[in-house]
Amino acid sequence: EAQVTQNPRYLITVTGKKLTVTCSQNMNHEYMSWYRQDPGLGLRQIYYSMNVEVTDKGDVPEGYKVSRKEKRNFPLILESPSPNQTSLYFCASNHRGQSTDTQYFGPGTRLTVL
Amino acid sequence: GQNIDQPTEMTATEGAIVQINCTYQTSGFNGLFWYQQHAGEAPTFLSYNVLDGLEEKGRFSSFLSRSKGYSYLLLKELQMKDSASYLCAVRDLFSGGYNKLIFGAGTRLAVHP
Repeated sequence: EAQVTQNPRYLITVTGKKLTVTCSQNMNHEYMSWYRQDPGLGLRQIYYSMNVEVTDKGDVPEGYKVSRKEKRNFPLILESPSPNQTSLYFCASNHRGQSTDTQYFGPGTRLTVL
Repeated sequence: GQNIDQPTEMTATEGAIVQINCTYQTSGFNGLFWYQQHAGEAPTFLSYNVLDGLEEKGRFSSFLSRSKGYSYLLLKELQMKDSASYLCAVRDLFSGGYNKLIFGAGTRLAVHP
């Protein structure tokens, strides 16, 4: 089954404790992206990757890091989480270069930083 | 810059028709997407428009007018399961690459019996 998976689905942590949210896709997509979703603000892109070893900042990259060592995986790293990073996070992927390509979203990770 | 506006909330009756509007301002428009998102779940793709006109897909239709920066999603024969948020998203070639989507805040639709 074609899918994007994220782990963990739910996480409660404390300020300053490093964490990683994993994302994996089995569709051989070149493009992967991380979003955060907050009430009234919609989905905002944090980082994206056009392919292996190619990453770039989205609209709200502060406080986050990513890596793309393999095509299928795109982890999101919070080196020192703060309460303002409490949010619902989605990973997404799609093929690059086709105008009709939609993004496929993972199930989401609800993060609470105390 | 970019701006996407859609109503925050709408209500409708089961069996009825509802139209959710979306207006946008982008410099490098290259397509408009509609997604459905149930509470706490991932967005799922509904429709894509890049040329002016109406795209119909079962009970859902989406319309685009590029000259007016306007789109709508039309839901017919509403069912209770259509209660969800509907996200309008625009691909803007000038704001971060071919694959960059800019999302509106979403319209929360409540369908009542």
